[in-house]
Amino acid sequence: DTVLTQSPALAVSPGERVTISCRASESVSTGMHWYQQKPGQQPKLLIYGASNLESGVPARFSGSGSGTDFTLTIDPVEADDTATYFCQQSWNDPTFGAGTKLELK
Amino acid sequence: EVQLVESGGGLVQPGRSLKLSCAASGFTFSNYYMAWVRQAPKKGLEWVATISTSGSRTYYPDSVKGRFTISRDNAKSSLYLQMNSLKSEDTATYYCARHGAIAAPWFAYWGQGTLVTVSS
Repeated sequence: DTVLTQSPALAVSPGERVTISCRASESVSTGMHWYQQKPGQQPKLLIYGASNLESGVPARFSGSGSGTDFTLTIDPVEADDTATYFCQQSWNDPTFGAGTKLELK
Repeated sequence: EVQLVESGGGLVQPGRSLKLSCAASGFTFSNYYMAWVRQAPKKGLEWVATISTSGSRTYYPDSVKGRFTISRDNAKSSLYLQMNSLKSEDTATYYCARHGAIAAPWFAYWGQGTLVTVSS
């Protein structure tokens, strides 16, 4: 299985720029997707194919990367962005990262 | 508006069976691959199964292969997950999810989830 590694937590102030990283144990080309999950809610797709913004998602969110290193950027961060962010690869059987919990200062 | 509504979760003893259902609306169900994804309490996400548009092809990770069966009824816009020989490690919230763009390998829409607890 392809293992995805994410940093466990980040804390930023509203208005700042934040980057959330995801590293794959092997190359997944651009088969990387990002989800936001708020407490008590289901996940929501933000980015697919490493850099494509899902319809309806604010342009404050962007994704980049290929191969093994990927980044989700939120700029500027808003209070409503408090959530856990998961990456998911689709190069082989889908696997998810453990999630990065984003907190606002 | 896309809606996915799961049902069928509950408390079940180890070794027993349970069948989950998902009612889909707001899109042409028969045009999309569908999946189940689970999340153990306070844990991450784990893909459980995917089914093709016609139901002729199914995919599972090794952790559930041979125990879980995904199926669909396109006439009823419904997705199912038959879970047999349940183990304590199967305890999780189970989400019904629609793949993106027919068979695209990401999960574009998710239901609210149904909780399955495996315990004696």
